[in-house]
Amino acid sequence: AQKITQTQPGMFVQEKEAVTLDCTYDTSDPSYGLFWYKQPSSGEMIFLIYQGSYDQQNATEGRYSLNFQKARKSANLVISASQLGDSAMYFCAMREEYTGNQFYFGTGTSLTVIP
Amino acid sequence: DSGVTQTPKHLITATGQRVTLRCSPRSGDLSVYWYQQSLDQGLQFLIQYYNGEERAKGNILERFSAQQFPDLHSELNLSSLELGDSALYFCASSVEGGRETQYFGPGTRLLVL
Repeated sequence: AQKITQTQPGMFVQEKEAVTLDCTYDTSDPSYGLFWYKQPSSGEMIFLIYQGSYDQQNATEGRYSLNFQKARKSANLVISASQLGDSAMYFCAMREEYTGNQFYFGTGTSLTVIP
Repeated sequence: DSGVTQTPKHLITATGQRVTLRCSPRSGDLSVYWYQQSLDQGLQFLIQYYNGEERAKGNILERFSAQQFPDLHSELNLSSLELGDSALYFCASSVEGGRETQYFGPGTRLLVL
């Protein structure tokens, strides 16, 4: 089974609107972390946000928030007030902290922000 | 600029050869991560070092090895190169290596011909 699943290969959003990028994960590790990264067309990789499996509150970083639903094993990224500069590939990742600290990445979602 | 430097930016080599990729973490960061991004395999975690010690191992081939030196820079050695090793190799660093922000270098693009 895939450890991380991102089911939306491509998404479009109007500028200034909010968008949710989906991510589901599969683990039996009781302690894990969930990460989101952004990769613009220039190729660099940018860390966006982190959520720990024991964190009670959903993580937020500026316009980014992580909608963490532990029972559903989902960790969706919400971008509020989209900007043209948000157009990029977005990767979800998980780290299993008890079983070797290995990272697993999803296949990514390409987000295009339309003016 | 993330503060993480990687050299070289581009590397073209032939099958069977060996190359070394270098990474200098941000000042003060003790942890270094290596990732591979290719069209075939997507993004993969290779290995993590923390203050000179290996902390986590991912899908790193036996032909690949890495180390972190006392000055905290890290090198990723790729040997007996194959066409499929062509990829973008990222290094990232973080303060300790757990839950905090990782800062990525610009990557080294390796092309094996």
